[in-house]
Amino acid sequence: AQSVTQLDSQVPVFEEAPVELRCNYSSSVSVYLFWYVQYPNQGLQLLLKYLSGSTLVKGINGFEAEFNKSQTSFHLRKPSVHISDTAEYFCAVTNDYKLSFGAGTTVTVRA
Amino acid sequence: GAVVSQHPSRVICKSGTSVKIECRSLDFQATTMFWYRQFPKQSLMLMATSNEGSKATYEQGVEKDKFLINHASLTLSTLTVTSAHPEDSSFYICSAPVEGMNTEAFFGQGTRLTVV
Repeated sequence: AQSVTQLDSQVPVFEEAPVELRCNYSSSVSVYLFWYVQYPNQGLQLLLKYLSGSTLVKGINGFEAEFNKSQTSFHLRKPSVHISDTAEYFCAVTNDYKLSFGAGTTVTVRA
Repeated sequence: GAVVSQHPSRVICKSGTSVKIECRSLDFQATTMFWYRQFPKQSLMLMATSNEGSKATYEQGVEKDKFLINHASLTLSTLTVTSAHPEDSSFYICSAPVEGMNTEAFFGQGTRLTVV
């Protein structure tokens, strides 16, 4: 079984500032890791994923994440956020098609 | 990219009635679909795995007689909330993995159910 811990429930950030959302996971087997974004009353959109290979993964909208196996982490970063990045962000893990989600991090970008 | 369409996006129903939510894969076939439930300001909890041509697999604690799942074709899964009560009010989201996409799942837009 896998589990995901998102260490920050809420992250306020000013526009054009960098942001980092932390995610740690636990699993007894190799896993695949994902970050999803959810805008209000909408479904989830994939930001990026780690399957194998390079530990630094680049996604859409300028986001990137780094897989660290020794620390079992998959933190999400963006060097400069926009107002439109205000949303809920979910880290997820799987070793098949079933996803286990973290509790989510609410990012609020202020001007 | 692959598209999963969920309908309706919002529904309000009276207590005791049943509500059907549809999840369609528009440009690919999905032998498996997943149904999630999301409470306000909480994460997504997997409710069940919908399998085309066979019975759904429910997660522990999910009432299969209350949340009826039918995977009638390779592009359609339905979730019916039977005899709905206010505590069933929630955001329901479906997802479908695309074969050959390395376990990536595509999500529907979600359905906001309000039972009054």
